[in-house]
Amino acid sequence: AQSVTQPDIHITVSEGASLELRCNYSYGATPYLFWYVQSPGQGLQLLLKYFSGDTLVQGIKGFEAEFKRSQSSFNLRKPSVHWSDAAEYFCAVGARGGSQGNLIFGKGTKLSVKP
Amino acid sequence: DAGVTQSPTHLIKTRGQQVTLRCSPKSGHDTVSWYQQALGQGPQFIFQYYEEEERQRGNFPDRFSGHQFPNYSSELNVNALLLGDSALYLCASSPYSGPLSEQYFGPGTRLTVT
Repeated sequence: AQSVTQPDIHITVSEGASLELRCNYSYGATPYLFWYVQSPGQGLQLLLKYFSGDTLVQGIKGFEAEFKRSQSSFNLRKPSVHWSDAAEYFCAVGARGGSQGNLIFGKGTKLSVKP
Repeated sequence: DAGVTQSPTHLIKTRGQQVTLRCSPKSGHDTVSWYQQALGQGPQFIFQYYEEEERQRGNFPDRFSGHQFPNYSSELNVNALLLGDSALYLCASSPYSGPLSEQYFGPGTRLTVT
């Protein structure tokens, strides 16, 4: 069965510091991979996605993620965090050949930013 | 252009009651998916509607049902509410133009069952 693990429940970084949020997935083949961000009272916003090709994916708001097949990982990175990045981040996997609706989400990582 | 809208924003119901949540998709989108997000959890897929039919369903009991109207808006109905149904219910819309078009999420409806 497909699953997504986000090992870190809560991370605190200083403003201006670099960020890496971890995501590991379990799937029999190469999945579709996504990172979403959810601010309080808001819906989910797509940061970036990986379908195929270049394993380093650029997204919005200065985020990037790298797909590593050997490690079944899709970690999210940002070189310099801004206070407005404080939010909850969700990694998700979608099955190839499946309907677009069925995304499997991790439990999320809450990011706090220290001034 | 309005994005995905959901109503109501918040709702409080009693165990055993029934509830209906509503979703209007983003303009130009004809596919609607519903997710349940319990506190401290990631969203869980409930079902997806396209062309007024349920196309795919997650691991949710029959108490959860839905409907899609000709204008692509959708409803989620939950019967015989349980305390465990308390959650944020998210609606997402997308154009059915490919295997995994981007899903746009609404702000959600917060359901509290007492």
